[in-house]
Amino acid sequence: GAVVSQHPSWVICKSGTSVKIECRSLDFQATTMFWYRQFPKQSLMLMATSNEGSKATYEQGVEKDKFLINHASLTLSTLTVTSAHPEDSSFYICSASEGIIVTEAFFGQGTRLTVV
Amino acid sequence: ILNVEQSPQSLHVQEGDSTNFTCSFPSSNFYALHWYRWETAKSPEALFVMTLNGDEKKKGRISATLNTKEGYSYLYIKGSQPEDSATYLCAPLTSGTYKYIFGTGTRLKVLA
Repeated sequence: GAVVSQHPSWVICKSGTSVKIECRSLDFQATTMFWYRQFPKQSLMLMATSNEGSKATYEQGVEKDKFLINHASLTLSTLTVTSAHPEDSSFYICSASEGIIVTEAFFGQGTRLTVV
Repeated sequence: ILNVEQSPQSLHVQEGDSTNFTCSFPSSNFYALHWYRWETAKSPEALFVMTLNGDEKKKGRISATLNTKEGYSYLYIKGSQPEDSATYLCAPLTSGTYKYIFGTGTRLKVLA
């Protein structure tokens, strides 16, 4: 199946710093990419959807200035957590789809972010 | 907001046992439903994509059924093996938004 690579798999950062997470589709062109967040014992919650070359569409309640998403190419999307605070500590995971209408999505391995 | 419920939240079974999980979702504006298997430290892996009411899909010892009118899907595992231990996620898609809404998953542990 298609492969999506997400890096880093875990990161610890100091409060106030920014962290960038990368999501790459290795063997297909990802027209659409999704970013999710998961708190302990909760479901994956969609943060935003991005289409290559367009601005990301954020879900209600997600601060677009805090979670910057860039989808500059058909194989790479990045999520930057700006001015991170301990409450941003969470598990972040991306998925990618070849089409705009999702028929199947492929996931990265996820990133565990800890802000201290 | 689509409310997706999966039950049970977790279960332990003995190797060789058969088991099944439930995914419940609102039936309005249904487009498709995906089942994923998510092993620890790995990427969620797609098991099935189901679209039609009455769909039945099978992959080895794992099968799934879909009832879009009443809003549920069952996942069955026959003769569970330790390698089946994982979290099983269901994710329906609604027409119009085409975004996954995930359930919290069912965590399966198969004891050898």
